[in-house]
Amino acid sequence: NAGVTQTPKFQVLKTGQSMTLQCAQDMNHEYMSWYRQDPGMGLRLIHYSVGAGITDQGEVPNGYNVSRSTTEDFPLRLLSAAPSQTSVYFCASSHGPLGTEAFFGQGTRLTVV
Amino acid sequence: GQQLNQSPQSMFIQEGEDVSMNCTSSSIFNTWLWYKQDPGEGPVLLIALYKAGELTSNGRLTAQFGITRKDSFLNISASIPSDVGIYFCAGQKRRDSNYQLIWGAGTKLIIKP
Repeated sequence: NAGVTQTPKFQVLKTGQSMTLQCAQDMNHEYMSWYRQDPGMGLRLIHYSVGAGITDQGEVPNGYNVSRSTTEDFPLRLLSAAPSQTSVYFCASSHGPLGTEAFFGQGTRLTVV
Repeated sequence: GQQLNQSPQSMFIQEGEDVSMNCTSSSIFNTWLWYKQDPGEGPVLLIALYKAGELTSNGRLTAQFGITRKDSFLNISASIPSDVGIYFCAGQKRRDSNYQLIWGAGTKLIIKP
């Protein structure tokens, strides 16, 4: 039972590089979201999606893009990586909107040098 | 921005002790959620609270939704080594047609050998 799968688990980027963090869920959840987690802070919402073809910005969207072409996948794109984007990124999915039980992936630890 | 104040930041306890942590805010929330995060993993939902005054248990864990809807607490009774981790509260509120989920900074639980 896979749940929410994130790849890669670890990534090092140079400043200015672009990359895509992958997220897939097999629970047929409509809602998916991306968070970043920084030391001493709670999770902060980057972008979220309420269904295929629908995305919206969260609390800290700048520097990130998302798309939702299928129910299962919700990739997060870093357009031009900056050291400030060094963080642990979590993808989550849920049956209902933000605040209903969310299932999280194992996270992607990103370092931008 | 909106904040949840989660305390304490960290706790050093002996195995078998009871643990108490709480989250407070100046904002009113519709739902309170408590998550636990183990090292290298994503958060996992422990307890969800939906009504002011609600008291809910999950094994040795008990959480309450404050009467004012501005706070919540989590108690763990008779702690065991696997309780070690970071505990997060999250509060959901609705603004117009959108839901917001605000996260506390976490309480790190450490069990003294």
